[in-house]
Amino acid sequence: EAGVAQSPRYKIIEKRQSVAFWCNPISGHATLYWYQQILGQGPKLLIQFQNNGVVDDSQLPKDRFSAERLKGVDSTLKIQPAKLEDSAVYLCASSLGGGRSYEQYFGPGTRLTVT
Amino acid sequence: AQRVTQPEKLLSVFKGAPVELKCNYSYSGSPELFWYVQYSRQRLQLLLRHISRESIKGFTADLNKGETSFHLKKPFAQEEDSAMYYCALSQMNRDDKIIFGKGTRLHILP
Repeated sequence: EAGVAQSPRYKIIEKRQSVAFWCNPISGHATLYWYQQILGQGPKLLIQFQNNGVVDDSQLPKDRFSAERLKGVDSTLKIQPAKLEDSAVYLCASSLGGGRSYEQYFGPGTRLTVT
Repeated sequence: AQRVTQPEKLLSVFKGAPVELKCNYSYSGSPELFWYVQYSRQRLQLLLRHISRESIKGFTADLNKGETSFHLKKPFAQEEDSAMYYCALSQMNRDDKIIFGKGTRLHILP
């Protein structure tokens, strides 16, 4: 089966600019996650979708970050305006979902550098 | 609060020697514990989960609720085991949300 797809793979922007990331999960996976992984740290959950509804966005900096999954399939994560501390790898993952702690499958990530 | 602690940032082990990657957790309910691995230039992927009680690539991990630990072990290290290892915790049968530790880089010396 095809894995989780993400684009772009790399992005360099200046602070105060905006950026958007795209994720296409594995077909049939109801749950989609966006993680932020800063260098030297583990992935930190930003937002979790179950189909097209938000399950958890408690760690999403809502003043600058937004995410949507309108049709319950692919998703976009946006940062506007970006700050230097947003430099990180943004990982998308998907799972079957349903509250049973299914295995999460990760995409290759997008490496964002804010200068 | 839920927390996963991996005390070692880097662990260097000679090929053929035993490996133990430490993981401790803090959680008041019934946790489900995982080990995820990221090999060089590859995606983060599940290595094993405690409920499966499997041995994957020679690795095992036992959940010790008394010590709140889930250490990853392998009796004889191989060069291909060099990777970044993340311990992770989820609430059993709820939410599918996972909390990751900061990770330990395992470096196998020839």
